[in-house]
Amino acid sequence: QVQLQQWGAGLLKPSETLSLTCAVHGGSFSGYYWIWIRQPPGKGLEWIGEINHTGITNYNPSLESRVTTSVDTSKNQLSLKLTSVTAADTAVYYCARVGGNWFAPWGQGTLVTVSS
Amino acid sequence: QSALTQPRSVSGSPGQSVTISCTGTSSDVGGYNFVSWYQQHPGKAPQLMIYDVNKRPSGVPGRFSGSKSGNTASLTISGLQSEDEANYYCCSYAGTYTYVFGTGTTVIVL
Repeated sequence: QVQLQQWGAGLLKPSETLSLTCAVHGGSFSGYYWIWIRQPPGKGLEWIGEINHTGITNYNPSLESRVTTSVDTSKNQLSLKLTSVTAADTAVYYCARVGGNWFAPWGQGTLVTVSS
Repeated sequence: QSALTQPRSVSGSPGQSVTISCTGTSSDVGGYNFVSWYQQHPGKAPQLMIYDVNKRPSGVPGRFSGSKSGNTASLTISGLQSEDEANYYCCSYAGTYTYVFGTGTTVIVL
């Protein structure tokens, strides 16, 4: 059974770079796309971007200028970087596997707070 | 890319049925049969309940069903149970390798 475990810095100052990693355990890494999704406190879900094992990416146009995703196939890990963060980037960030056009399973989520 | 529109909340008594709507446009919901639904309990990660409009993943109870008509998709919970109280989000493929989520609906079990 596939499980996703994620980690990264939880408190950032404005203008810093958000950096998160997601490790995939117990299943195939290749052959799937992997996605990052975020949820501001008390609000809905927002798709950030996706990447496959060869590094092909697709990003939300509203975040594309600040987002970079990467994969390390030797470790079955994917990473997210978001530059020049502001308070509006405060959210719980999730990684998930893309199956067709749906997302499952999901990581446990990482709360990232941007505050001076 | 605007969020899909969902009612803020729906409610029902145990055993009743509730339906959550998810309204988009011909560029997302209406254009593809790629609508999925996610259940999220407070403090937890979302969980897939329905994919490709009306398919249920293994392990999801049969009381959850999905449908679509035009630009509106729907999730129906039949035989409502207390553990169904949660937030629900729809999501649609929106073309050119992009996705859009719904605004979210809170299901309240009276």
